[in-house]
Amino acid sequence: DTGVSQDPRHKITKRGQNVTFRCDPISEHNRLYWYRQTLGQGPEFLTYFQNEAQLEKSRLLSDRFSAERPKGSFSTLEIQRTEQGDSAMYLCASSLGDWGEAFFGQGTRLTVV
Amino acid sequence: GQQVMQIPQYQHVQEGEDFTTYCNSSTTLSNIQWYKQRPGGHPVFLIQLVKSGEVKKQKRLTFQFGEAKKNSSLHITATQTTDVGTYFCAGAGKSTFGDGTTLTVKP
Repeated sequence: DTGVSQDPRHKITKRGQNVTFRCDPISEHNRLYWYRQTLGQGPEFLTYFQNEAQLEKSRLLSDRFSAERPKGSFSTLEIQRTEQGDSAMYLCASSLGDWGEAFFGQGTRLTVV
Repeated sequence: GQQVMQIPQYQHVQEGEDFTTYCNSSTTLSNIQWYKQRPGGHPVFLIQLVKSGEVKKQKRLTFQFGEAKKNSSLHITATQTTDVGTYFCAGAGKSTFGDGTTLTVKP
């Protein structure tokens, strides 16, 4: 296992389009997290899963954002009707349990034009 | 909701000088984790602190967890150019990250 992988690494999309990102966590990790990071800021929590269950979703998260982890393995994050303010780095992380260290993927950089 | 604040936001040091970043929470934390993000990279786990007043060392890095479990610090002794990056603290089960302290080191 080579760690957490995210696909694609970069995505440029036109405003109003839908985009979907994929995250493959470390195989034995039951926790999976999605974050958004903009320049000069720390990772902003979006949501997390324990196995296939989505246990928490940020109140700041728009209804245009949805995430799934159907079989408790990989996860997808979809953004509908993208806006320029959605431009950011989207990071995925996985961990073993609540107190385990988080292993981050390289991120998907989204640019909305 | 819970907030984690870090100071300073930026720190520029001469190689060999010491560096300290502070993390303060509005509520008591069950544990705190520290991460380092190199320019253009992703956050990498450094350490986790759990006990009140806990102190852990990793070579030139010293981490402390406050007695009230509401604050923490990271101290680097004799900085090197390899220490450059942004240091984040995270609490509340990794759902709350501070905005980090960005360290630059002048050789």
